[in-house]
Amino acid sequence: AAGVIQSPRHLIKEKRETATLKCYPIPRHDTVYWYQQGPGQDPQFLISFYEKMQSDKGSIPDRFSAQQFSDYHSELNMSSLELGDSALYFCASSPSQGARGYTFGSGTRLTVV
Amino acid sequence: GESVGLHLPTLSVQEGDNSIINCAYSNSASDYFIWYKQESGKGPQFIIDIRSNMDKRQGQRVTVLLNKTVKHLSLQIAATQPGDSAVYFCADFSGSRLTFGEGTQLTVNP
Repeated sequence: AAGVIQSPRHLIKEKRETATLKCYPIPRHDTVYWYQQGPGQDPQFLISFYEKMQSDKGSIPDRFSAQQFSDYHSELNMSSLELGDSALYFCASSPSQGARGYTFGSGTRLTVV
Repeated sequence: GESVGLHLPTLSVQEGDNSIINCAYSNSASDYFIWYKQESGKGPQFIIDIRSNMDKRQGQRVTVLLNKTVKHLSLQIAATQPGDSAVYFCADFSGSRLTFGEGTQLTVNP
């Protein structure tokens, strides 16, 4: 079965650079969620989109922005990167903002040096 | 703020034993709870869920118990196998987001 696809899997950036993470949801899933997981931490909700509109916002820094495109894929843009942004970034998708079918991707490991 | 948390950060069991992982939650408005398994470098993987109007739900080798009186969730894994070694998170689903608790590292010794 198709899963949530994230790219890239690994990314190394220097401080103050920008990064773009991509997420391709499961076909027919119209809702995308972004989570950040620091080392040894639980995933923290960042932001979500339903039908290409922002539906919920969590602890996402102002330096980050995201959007969902017409094909339902989503991108998380991160600017002025800081060392503390080093983390695993997970995307999840679900049908119609529901809990059933909520599926995570394998994540992007961002390292800021 | 509302939170979901786990009692024990680590659990070590012998292969074949039963494992019990516990979780306390504080958001009494949550209507859905989920257990996830996360292996190193991978995304959280769904194990089992339970609605707030249920007390117990069974899956293959796993059982989730919900005690709303004390706001407590538990995950029972029967006949634990080495492949069960991972970090386990409980999460509550409210609105459109998941709020995770602190994970428990389960180690299965052969």
